[in-house]
Amino acid sequence: SQQGEEDPQALSIQEGENATMNCSYKTSINNLQWYRQNSGRGLVHLILIRSNEREKHSGRLRVTLDTSKKSSSLLITASRAADTASYFCATELTGGGNKLTFGTGTQLKVEL
Amino acid sequence: EAGVTQFPSHSVIEKGQTVTLRCDPISGHDNLYWYRRVMGKEIKFLLHFVKESKQDESGMPNNRFLAERTGGTYSTLKVQPAELEDSGVYFCASSGGRSYEQYFGPGTRLTVT
Repeated sequence: SQQGEEDPQALSIQEGENATMNCSYKTSINNLQWYRQNSGRGLVHLILIRSNEREKHSGRLRVTLDTSKKSSSLLITASRAADTASYFCATELTGGGNKLTFGTGTQLKVEL
Repeated sequence: EAGVTQFPSHSVIEKGQTVTLRCDPISGHDNLYWYRRVMGKEIKFLLHFVKESKQDESGMPNNRFLAERTGGTYSTLKVQPAELEDSGVYFCASSGGRSYEQYFGPGTRLTVT
């Protein structure tokens, strides 16, 4: 299996609802980053959480990190149609330099 | 501040031909990375430059791929000769200063026919 695996693979919700995506990884990390990719566009950096942090907020985004379970979650509150995109977690592995290891992504669809 | 830019946005070439992709990182960023996403698979690391030096090229698939960053500014990724399995989206990212955040360009979609 992959270093980073997102769950679920696809998620469809109504506008205004909250969306939660999970990411699991296998080895020790320095940090974990979440990215968004709109269809056919580039990756947009959302938030970075370091291995010694447990929770971070940015606007409507809330990220948690549980290093004991090797997992992270991304919560988008009060979702909007514009949040429709693919979301990826990426880990910077301990001793792996600065390269990022990406998961397979969660496709989020927010319907009006 | 301008973001990471990549050129071209899309390239269609025939098997056996050569293609050169270009990446301009955010001004002042010493770190430059190349990644690619082959159809249906996850985004994978190719290599990492610190200024003009290759810090890590462990992800380069084979010697048909050559990356350069002369002068420590923009970078090029050449594929010669291209094979069908090279098709995918090639992303460039940069980071700088004390930040670990990597900022990605829009990608170059390479199609080898």
